[in-house]
Amino acid sequence: GAVVSQHPSRVICKSGTSVKIECRSLDFQATTMFWYRQFPKQSLMLMATSNEGSKATYEQGVEKDKFLINHASLTLSTLTVTSAHPEDSSFYICSAQLGLEETQYFGPGTRLLVL
Amino acid sequence: AQSVTQLDSQVPVFEEAPVELRCNYSSSVSVYLFWYVQYPNQGLQLLLKYLSGSTLVKGINGFEAEFNKSQTSFHLRKPSVHISDTAEYFCAVSEGAQKLVFGQGTRLTINP
Repeated sequence: GAVVSQHPSRVICKSGTSVKIECRSLDFQATTMFWYRQFPKQSLMLMATSNEGSKATYEQGVEKDKFLINHASLTLSTLTVTSAHPEDSSFYICSAQLGLEETQYFGPGTRLLVL
Repeated sequence: AQSVTQLDSQVPVFEEAPVELRCNYSSSVSVYLFWYVQYPNQGLQLLLKYLSGSTLVKGINGFEAEFNKSQTSFHLRKPSVHISDTAEYFCAVSEGAQKLVFGQGTRLTINP
């Protein structure tokens, strides 16, 4: 149980285009989902916390207009990187919180390469 | 504010030897503690967690960790490692239903 999927697993896009990444909790309902960014050989940095039906809470330094987060249902959250630039190239990982257990279960990640 | 320190960025170990990956945290309140493993180009997999109760926590793949409140530590151990344990290991802390704060990670390399 507690499986989280992400789609796509890898995406290459041209500079200036927008990319949408989906995060789904497959076998449980997640009221809260999180989006992280990981640069090579570094730890995960939290970008935003997404609660179903409400606006996401962004961490300091993360541009909310550039990284659009939507959490329309209890099993789906999306991250859209708008007008992507090469510096946005990174590994994006989502997680979903399993109710009151305070445990986050992570998706397999999406590697974004912006040319 | 919470913080997590993983004292070793890299740990090389011979196969079948024991290993300990160190993790210290700082927090002003009670915390939940986690260890995650990340294989190359993959997301994070939960190894084990401490929420409350027994301070010795057993996880998957033969790993265990001990919560030491007085030393604010949550070190990860395995008595005998395998080649397949080669991965990046992250310690994390959260204060209740709050965001996770991760350490910098420890790269465990198992040599034959």
